[in-house]
Amino acid sequence: ETGVTQTPRHLVMGMTNKKSLKCEQHLGHNAMYWYKQSAKKPLELMFVYNFKEQTENNSVPSRFSPECPNSSHLFLHLHTLQPEDSALYLCASSQVGLPLHFGNGTRLTVT
Amino acid sequence: DQQVKQNSPSLSVQEGRISILNCDYTNSMFDYFLWYKKYPAEGPTFLISISSIKDKNEDGRFTVFLNKSAKHLSQHIVPSQPGDSAVYFCAASATHSPGGGADGLTFGKGTHLIIQP
Repeated sequence: ETGVTQTPRHLVMGMTNKKSLKCEQHLGHNAMYWYKQSAKKPLELMFVYNFKEQTENNSVPSRFSPECPNSSHLFLHLHTLQPEDSALYLCASSQVGLPLHFGNGTRLTVT
Repeated sequence: DQQVKQNSPSLSVQEGRISILNCDYTNSMFDYFLWYKKYPAEGPTFLISISSIKDKNEDGRFTVFLNKSAKHLSQHIVPSQPGDSAVYFCAASATHSPGGGADGLTFGKGTHLIIQP
């Protein structure tokens, strides 16, 4: 149990599909993050939410749409993705003074 | 332009010996550095960190060294054990926060450490 739970673990979707990734943290943290890990690339920050307010959108295409209904839940809505969006999507949470705590990720394949 | 660089994609070390993982950075605003460890099919887990006001931090078998003038840090694992085989990510923060605050953390590409029996 990592304290940060991501579902689904694996997702295959077509370019015309709409799907959502879910993240839930049980640590009482006030900040949540979406990171993307592509093959042979560093983890890239996508979105940051602090106390449910989005504080960072790291030039992410609009086909990725985050939602943070409360400080424990974070979603990433996906629509009309491209094959190059295939990657591992990692959710993380943190509290002031504490390191990022990651979930196990969702392995996304866009066909 | 990569601000955090791990130039060795992989490193093979014999069990019981010292493993040295290296990381270089270019952004002089970074003031907090972390190492994460990642096993296949799992998310990264926090291992050890160091603030820019220190040059060494030790936690059991793990020691991180920071050389600010060279913009270089390294992590030493001694003695290396088979369970240490994983991908190690170096990360940095410019907000003096181990969580990276509103800017998150900037990561390197990782080094795959293989401990040979």
